[in-house]
Amino acid sequence: GAVVSQHPSRVICKSGTSVKIECRSLDFQATTMFWYRQFPKQSLMLMATSNEGSKATYEQGVEKDKFLINHASLTLSTLTVTSAHPEDSSFYICSATLAGRNTQYFGPGTRLTVL
Amino acid sequence: AQSVTQPDIHITVSEGASLELRCNYSYGATPYLFWYVQSPGQGLQLLLKYFSGDTLVQGIKGFEAEFKRSQSSFNLRKPSVHWSDAAEYFCAVGAPGNTPLVFGKGTRLSVIA
Repeated sequence: GAVVSQHPSRVICKSGTSVKIECRSLDFQATTMFWYRQFPKQSLMLMATSNEGSKATYEQGVEKDKFLINHASLTLSTLTVTSAHPEDSSFYICSATLAGRNTQYFGPGTRLTVL
Repeated sequence: AQSVTQPDIHITVSEGASLELRCNYSYGATPYLFWYVQSPGQGLQLLLKYFSGDTLVQGIKGFEAEFKRSQSSFNLRKPSVHWSDAAEYFCAVGAPGNTPLVFGKGTRLSVIA
């Protein structure tokens, strides 16, 4: 149980385009999901906290207009990178919290490459 | 503020040898502590976690970790390493409820024959 999926697993796009990444909790409901970014050979850095039915909370330095987060249901959160640039190339990982377990379960990640 | 320090960036061990990965944390209250493993290009897999109770916790794949409050440490151990254990290991600290985790910078484990 407690499986989190992400789609797509890998995406390559041109500079200036927008990319949507989906994060789904497959076998549980997640009122809260988190989006992290991981640059090569570095640790995970929290980008934002996504709560179902409300606006996401962004970490300092993360542009909310560039990284649009929508948490429309208890099993789905999406991250849209708008007007992507090469410096946005990174590994994006989502996680979901299973209520009462105090444990985050991570998706497999999405590798974004912006040309 | 919460923080996690993993002092070792890269460790190399021989297959069959024992392993200890260090983790020190800074947290104002009783922390929730986690160890995750990440293979190249993959997401994170939870190895084990500590919330309360017995300070020695057992995880998957033969890993264990010991919480030492006096040393603010949560070191990960395995008595006999297998080649498939080569990966990146992350220690993380969190709080109860729907709160994000703070990760250490990770320790890359290489296993040699």
